[in-house]
Amino acid sequence: DQQVKQNSPSLSVQEGRISILNCDYTNSMFDYFLWYKKYPAEGPTFLISISSIKDKNEDGRFTVFLNKSAKHLSLHIVPSQPGDSAVYFCAAKDRGTYKYIFGTGTRLKVLA
Amino acid sequence: GAVVSQHPSWVICKSGTSVKIECRSLDFQATTMFWYRQFPKQSLMLMATSNEGSKATYEQGVEKDKFLINHASLTLSTLTVTSAHPEDSSFYICSANVYNEQFFGPGTRLTVL
Repeated sequence: DQQVKQNSPSLSVQEGRISILNCDYTNSMFDYFLWYKKYPAEGPTFLISISSIKDKNEDGRFTVFLNKSAKHLSLHIVPSQPGDSAVYFCAAKDRGTYKYIFGTGTRLKVLA
Repeated sequence: GAVVSQHPSWVICKSGTSVKIECRSLDFQATTMFWYRQFPKQSLMLMATSNEGSKATYEQGVEKDKFLINHASLTLSTLTVTSAHPEDSSFYICSANVYNEQFFGPGTRLTVL
């Protein structure tokens, strides 16, 4: 049972445009969410986080939106740059634990 | 952010041998570390939670006798893949929590021939 889902395995966006990566979850007890960027054969790099008590968090070009009623979060990257091309994972933490569950990832390709 | 290192970054071994992977927190102490495994084009799968000074907690389906975890100090956790077989070939990643954020090591690519 996949508790964290990223239904789009890949996404292509033109440089300078907005990239929107989506993530859905099923467990209402998740209280903290993270987005990671990963290059092949490297460990994930933390991008941005959001607590379940918020609905938006912004850091530079990256903004994460959380819709608790829909159990949905999204990562917006604007403007997109070729260096943003990577696999993006969302991850969710269960309340009272330190364990994160990862989505399956979305491969973003930003075209120059 | 917090820095987590792994060693080795890449290892090739013969089937039947054991391989030890080290995970270190470089600028902070970590009472809890996590070990993940990633197959090509798949998500990171949590294998186990490594607890300093006590036994690791394994996720369902992970063989604890196959993947030995030792968290002997606040800055070091080790994962030993015992009697490795080709199906154990994978990318192994460790992480540690700092407050609610999880910082990852660079990963270890294990290839078992």
